[in-house]
Amino acid sequence: SQQGEEDPQALSIQEGENATMNCSYKTSINNLQWYRQNSGRGLVHLILIRSNEREKHSGRLRVTLDTSKKSSSLLITASRAADTASYFCATGKAAGNKLTFGGGTRVLVKP
Amino acid sequence: EPEVTQTPSHQVTQMGQEVILRCVPISNHLYFYWYRQILGQKVEFLVSFYNNEISEKSEIFDDQFSVERPDGSNFTLKIRSTKLEDSAMYFCASHDPGSHQETQYFGPGTRLLVL
Repeated sequence: SQQGEEDPQALSIQEGENATMNCSYKTSINNLQWYRQNSGRGLVHLILIRSNEREKHSGRLRVTLDTSKKSSSLLITASRAADTASYFCATGKAAGNKLTFGGGTRVLVKP
Repeated sequence: EPEVTQTPSHQVTQMGQEVILRCVPISNHLYFYWYRQILGQKVEFLVSFYNNEISEKSEIFDDQFSVERPDGSNFTLKIRSTKLEDSAMYFCASHDPGSHQETQYFGPGTRLLVL
């Protein structure tokens, strides 16, 4: 797989359920960032985790990073219809360097 | 809260025409980037710009592309002679190295359609 691949590609859940998506990458990284994109819109930064961190929380978001497996997961708890969007992971090799994006996970939260 | 802005939001052009996409990065940021996203595909890096010069560019960023910071606030991407395959959403992003955060903040994008 390419640098920054998410799975699943699509996820459909009921409002109130948790949504979990995973990201795998191939090369060493300095940081991994998760972004949200509503249909046809811009990229909204959600959360960043550095290579020396294992877990971070922000509101209903929980991100984990396992550098030994070169993978990360994003958990959205108690999902809402407004969480319907595509979620992308992006890896950076150093501060200021380009980000390499995955293909994204499309999440549909049904009311 | 400061944000990256981009103009225009949509642009339609004929193949072979030149287009200039404009971005205003967050004011104290020093790194600037252009990315693009072809419909249904991944976001791809084009170019990064720091200290008034290109710091990195991808294979996509060929001689048809150029970037400029014409004044203290704008950052532009020029495509000299557009091709059909240049149709995509183009995102500008910026980063503040002084924040000790690696976060890149993205603008809302310019949707370019080449006919």
